[in-house]
Amino acid sequence: EAGVAQSPRYKIIEKRQSVAFWCNPISGHATLYWYQQILGQGPKLLIQFQNNGVVDDSQLPKDRFSAERLKGVDSTLKIQPAKLEDSAVYLCASSLESWDRGGSPLHFGNGTRLTVT
Amino acid sequence: DAKTTQPPSMDCAEGRAANLPCNHSTISGNEYVYWYRQIHSQGPQYIIHGLKNNETNEMASLIITEDRKSSTLILPHATLRDTAVYYCIVTGAGSYQLTFGKGTKLSVIP
Repeated sequence: EAGVAQSPRYKIIEKRQSVAFWCNPISGHATLYWYQQILGQGPKLLIQFQNNGVVDDSQLPKDRFSAERLKGVDSTLKIQPAKLEDSAVYLCASSLESWDRGGSPLHFGNGTRLTVT
Repeated sequence: DAKTTQPPSMDCAEGRAANLPCNHSTISGNEYVYWYRQIHSQGPQYIIHGLKNNETNEMASLIITEDRKSSTLILPHATLRDTAVYYCIVTGAGSYQLTFGKGTKLSVIP
């Protein structure tokens, strides 16, 4: 099966500019996640979607970050305006909806590396 | 989610078994142990998960102690391609949120 697709792979912007990342999950996966990974740290969850509804966005800095998954498939994550501390890799992941045996594993894309200068 | 403790780094000789430990002393009865790994410049990759029984798949084995307070991920014959950061994560059934720590950086040495 095709994996989680993300684009762009790299992005360099200046602070106060805006940027958007795109994610296409594995076909049939109802749940979609966006994670932020700062260099040297593990990924941190930003937002979780179930189909096109938000399940958890408690760690999303809503003053500058927004995300949508309008048709329950693709998703975009936007940052406006960007700050220097937003430099990180933004990872998208998806999973089947399954309640058996602890849920189904998350499948991650290779991320978008954002550098804010 | 229960917290986990892992050594920051480990070395393993190529061809030998790699045994990666994880402590999760506050794990609850319905929480699972998941292992993921992240190879440089890639997204995390699922390896294996379990509740209380030992588990094995084509990638690795997971050994969970009887009291469930710790576990060990075993890569039976480590190769250079197994060099990665390995994350041990505890999460509840029905909760798909993974809280990543810093993991263990495994270096497989020729």
